[in-house]
Amino acid sequence: QSALTQPASVSESPGQSITISCTGTSSDVGGYNYVSWYQQHPGKAPKLMISDVSKRPSGVSNRFSGSKSGNTASLTISGLQAEDEADYYCSSYTNSRTWLFGGGTKLTVL
Amino acid sequence: QVQLVESGGGVVQPGRSLRLSCAASGFSFRDYAMHWVRQAPGKGLEWVAVLWYDGSNKIYADSVKGRFTISRDNSQNTLYLQMNSLRTEDTAVYYCTKDLSGSYTIDYWGQGTLVTVSS
Repeated sequence: QSALTQPASVSESPGQSITISCTGTSSDVGGYNYVSWYQQHPGKAPKLMISDVSKRPSGVSNRFSGSKSGNTASLTISGLQAEDEADYYCSSYTNSRTWLFGGGTKLTVL
Repeated sequence: QVQLVESGGGVVQPGRSLRLSCAASGFSFRDYAMHWVRQAPGKGLEWVAVLWYDGSNKIYADSVKGRFTISRDNSQNTLYLQMNSLRTEDTAVYYCTKDLSGSYTIDYWGQGTLVTVSS
């Protein structure tokens, strides 16, 4: 199975909002509500930011939100802050009982 | 708090074997499925394998099927990844990760251990 499709990079100014898309198929993103999003700073392990399409784990800022429409999931970050600058990955459970990740999106806060 | 500490990485020649270990603490290890996820240098994340909490199900990515074996010792709170017939493309940081109960989601990650396959 191919990786989920994410934009390679996005950039925006502090205080603004951005949305990162994650496109799969009906065998993964479109077929299950098991889409998650991870934040990874350079040299660090990924951190879970969103699970089950739109659930925010305890301790994650409410500036982060998730949604899904059809085969595309989205992560929205509002009120951008410098510390949000990182790589973001989506992930989905699949009908092969495996997991797929997106290629990752580098977020630059200008 | 949840802690996952990987060990066993290093430099290995193509065709050789290596076994990674992951010591888990801060949660009831025997109650959770566990995964291995890897990240090649400068690249994205790639899911490798999952093992059910009771060892009843093992599922692998196509890229490692037949070469890698995931296992666990619930009495020692330890997860393993036996990697055989290693290839240069297996070079990556390998992360031990925990599954979120009730959801097919990875929630916690270790810091990773680097495996370099090179002659």
